[in-house]
Amino acid sequence: AQKITQTQPGMFVQEKEAVTLDCTYDTSDPSYGLFWYKQPSSGEMIFLIYQGSYDQQNATEGRYSLNFQKARKSANLVISASQLGDSAMYFCAMREVSSGSARQLTFGSGTQLTVLP
Amino acid sequence: DADVTQTPRNRITKTGKRIMLECSQTKGHDRMYWYRQDPGLGLRLIYYSFDVKDINKGEISDGYSVSRQAQAKFSLSLESAIPNQTALYFCATSGEMSYNEQFFGPGTRLTVL
Repeated sequence: AQKITQTQPGMFVQEKEAVTLDCTYDTSDPSYGLFWYKQPSSGEMIFLIYQGSYDQQNATEGRYSLNFQKARKSANLVISASQLGDSAMYFCAMREVSSGSARQLTFGSGTQLTVLP
Repeated sequence: DADVTQTPRNRITKTGKRIMLECSQTKGHDRMYWYRQDPGLGLRLIYYSFDVKDINKGEISDGYSVSRQAQAKFSLSLESAIPNQTALYFCATSGEMSYNEQFFGPGTRLTVL
């Protein structure tokens, strides 16, 4: 089974509007972390935001917030006030933290976001 | 200077050739990783290393080998390149804590003809 599922291959949003990028995950590990990365067309991977499985509050970083619903195993990224520079591929990733795990990131297939002027 | 560097940035090679991709980091991290990115598949782990004496296979290690020459250097080799190894390759490093994000290099775009 897929550990990270991003069901939206592509999304469009009007400039200055908010957009939600979906991410669901699957794990039996009680301790894990969820990450979002942005990959612009230039190719580099840019870390955006982190949510720990035991964190009580949803993570926020500037215009980025993570809508964490633990019971539903979802970790959606919300971008407020979209800008043209937000056009990029966005990846959701998970790290399981049980002993003996590689603690590597497992990535979803990504969502290509296009911000329209 | 970038914290994680990769060389070369682009490489075109022929089937059957041996090729090495190099990664260096100045983060002081013990943990280093090699990923491969294919369109529509996200990033997949090839190999990872927790320190100089520790090398582990990831999800898609067949056809690849690695060497951890020092804490700061982790190289990926394709012993006999084949066309389906054409991809974007990323090196990454991270700290030990679960909340530490991975820092990625700029990527190496490899084309095998």
